[in-house]
Amino acid sequence: AQSVTQLGSHVSVSEGALVLLRCNYSSSVPPYLFWYVQYPNQGLQLLLKYTSAATLVKGINGFEAEFKKSETSFHLTKPSAHMSDAAEYFCAVSGMNTGFQKLVFGTGTRLLVSP
Amino acid sequence: NAGVMQNPRHLVRRRGQEARLRCSPMKGHSHVYWYRQLPEEGLKFMVYLQKENIIDESGMPKERFSAEFPKEGPSILRIQQVVRGDSAAYFCASSTGQGRDQPQHFGDGTRLSIL
Repeated sequence: AQSVTQLGSHVSVSEGALVLLRCNYSSSVPPYLFWYVQYPNQGLQLLLKYTSAATLVKGINGFEAEFKKSETSFHLTKPSAHMSDAAEYFCAVSGMNTGFQKLVFGTGTRLLVSP
Repeated sequence: NAGVMQNPRHLVRRRGQEARLRCSPMKGHSHVYWYRQLPEEGLKFMVYLQKENIIDESGMPKERFSAEFPKEGPSILRIQQVVRGDSAAYFCASSTGQGRDQPQHFGDGTRLSIL
């Protein structure tokens, strides 16, 4: 079985500051990992994904994430926050023991950006 | 290019009524996934369908819930005899294939409120 833990339901940063959103996963098989962003009253948009290739993954809007097997982590970072980054962010894992992309989501982290 | 279209965006039902949620996948997508998001929680997988087939419904409550994806027309998530606990946002996603690295594209969801 797969699971995801997102530490911190809310993260507050100032505009221009580093963004760090934490995600730890549990998987009995090599995982595929994803970060999604959700703006109010909208669906989820894929930011980036890790599918067992490069451990440092670059996504859209300047975000990137690093897969660390030893720490079972896949933290999301952005060097400089922008006001438009304020949203809810979800980490998700897809296990290999299903024949399709059955996503298991974390509970989300709301990013607040202040001027 | 139209994305995943869900309607209605908001649906209000009284306890005991039926709710029908519709999802039209992106053009060229024949794989549909339904997720439920309770307040302050992440998305939970409900069901995965291909045209005319339910592939995995392990996340679907055993009673009152059903899903279909007919050869023609949108996918339908049906909830019979709704109860207060069914109040949630229901999201549909679609993809071109079932591989674990196939990105899922999400609709904006249907917010279901039960009076």
